[in-house]
Amino acid sequence: EDQVTQSPEALRLQEGESSSLNCSYTVSGLRGLFWYRQDPGKGPEFLFTLYSAGEEKEKERLKATLTKKESFLHITAPKPEDSATYLCAVLTFDDYKLSFGAGTTVTVRA
Amino acid sequence: DVKVTQSSRYLVKRTGEKVFLECVQDMDHENMFWYRQDPGLGLRLIYFSYDVKMKEKGDIPEGYSVSREKKERFSLILESASTNQTSMYLCASSLPGTGGSGYTFGSGTRLTVV
Repeated sequence: EDQVTQSPEALRLQEGESSSLNCSYTVSGLRGLFWYRQDPGKGPEFLFTLYSAGEEKEKERLKATLTKKESFLHITAPKPEDSATYLCAVLTFDDYKLSFGAGTTVTVRA
Repeated sequence: DVKVTQSSRYLVKRTGEKVFLECVQDMDHENMFWYRQDPGLGLRLIYFSYDVKMKEKGDIPEGYSVSREKKERFSLILESASTNQTSMYLCASSLPGTGGSGYTFGSGTRLTVV
């Protein structure tokens, strides 16, 4: 059974304090790993897709990386507007449904 | 701007009522999904559909049914609402095979059953 585990559950940061979120996965064959951002009371919004180990993608203060067992979402010099829940999800070659982790809730204080 | 639209942002229903949650997408996506999201449990798949009139059970289908009569519309039905169905419900759609950007989600419906 595919498993996706995110850590930590919650992260409180001071503005400008860089940190990383972890998404570890156990799947039979990874086709893609997805990162989403979710603001309170809203649906998740797509951030990145990573397909192979060693791949990196960046968007503003966010950078996602992928290894064979896990992905990291690095937040560099965060601002209060980066406060959100970050979800990762995996897609395998034998399924077209995403399997989601429980998310990491990030709070950035000014 | 492509969209997945859920008909209600907030709903309050009584125990035992039949509840309809509607979802419409304008992206001509084949796949559509219904999830519920609860604190600490993440997104759990209720039902999904990969074509008109096709449906498959997800991980937690008990107490729910779905309808997909048209490609753009996917409805979730709570046959007899119960308090443990109080949750955030999220609809999503995707291309076949899910595609490079995964799912596109709606804004969610916060359902409270009293």
